[in-house]
Amino acid sequence: KNEVEQSPQNLTAQEGEFITINCSYSVGISALHWLQQHPGGGIVSLFMLSSGKKKHGRLIATINIQEKHSSLHITASHPRDSAVYICAVSSAKIIFGKGTRLHILP
Amino acid sequence: GAVVSQHPSWVICKSGTSVKIECRSLDFQATTMFWYRQFPKQSLMLMATSNEGSKATYEQGVEKDKFLINHASLTLSTLTVTSAHPEDSSFYICSAIRDRGLDTQYFGPGTRLTVL
Repeated sequence: KNEVEQSPQNLTAQEGEFITINCSYSVGISALHWLQQHPGGGIVSLFMLSSGKKKHGRLIATINIQEKHSSLHITASHPRDSAVYICAVSSAKIIFGKGTRLHILP
Repeated sequence: GAVVSQHPSWVICKSGTSVKIECRSLDFQATTMFWYRQFPKQSLMLMATSNEGSKATYEQGVEKDKFLINHASLTLSTLTVTSAHPEDSSFYICSAIRDRGLDTQYFGPGTRLTVL
């Protein structure tokens, strides 16, 4: 079993839909990262959080340390949100999930 | 917010040549930088940890003589792929820790290497 599990692996939705991507981990962590990787490969750090909730524009990230679970939400999704979203946790070293491929249809 | 840059963003080279990739922290000093590699449709994998002024620590299975890492200053780490081969074609990403003892890690945008 991977130490960082993301779900779903793939997600296709219509423009405007509310999107949730989940991340569960099995190790003790000091922080959790959400990254966005565009088709060209470029990576953008979306959030780094160790507790609670953070919001940036239409993106919201939450983490529950006790349950070892984090969610990334996208409100009013748009085709430009189409990308791979990666969850990574900082433990003894950083461990990446396999990513969730999101495709928003216009 | 903290910014980490990489240069070049993409590079194509012939087999047998060496390629240098730079990772810079633009507005902070990074005592530690990390280098990752990502093959198509796979997760990012840590290659090595680079500490300023000391030798890099390589992960198991990563050839230190092939992937030369230099962290000569607090804002710059370089990864040199020596005698590159087509199997080295990959996406290379760096990240930098902003504050010693704090887990503030910022990722570079990545460099796509294609070896012909």
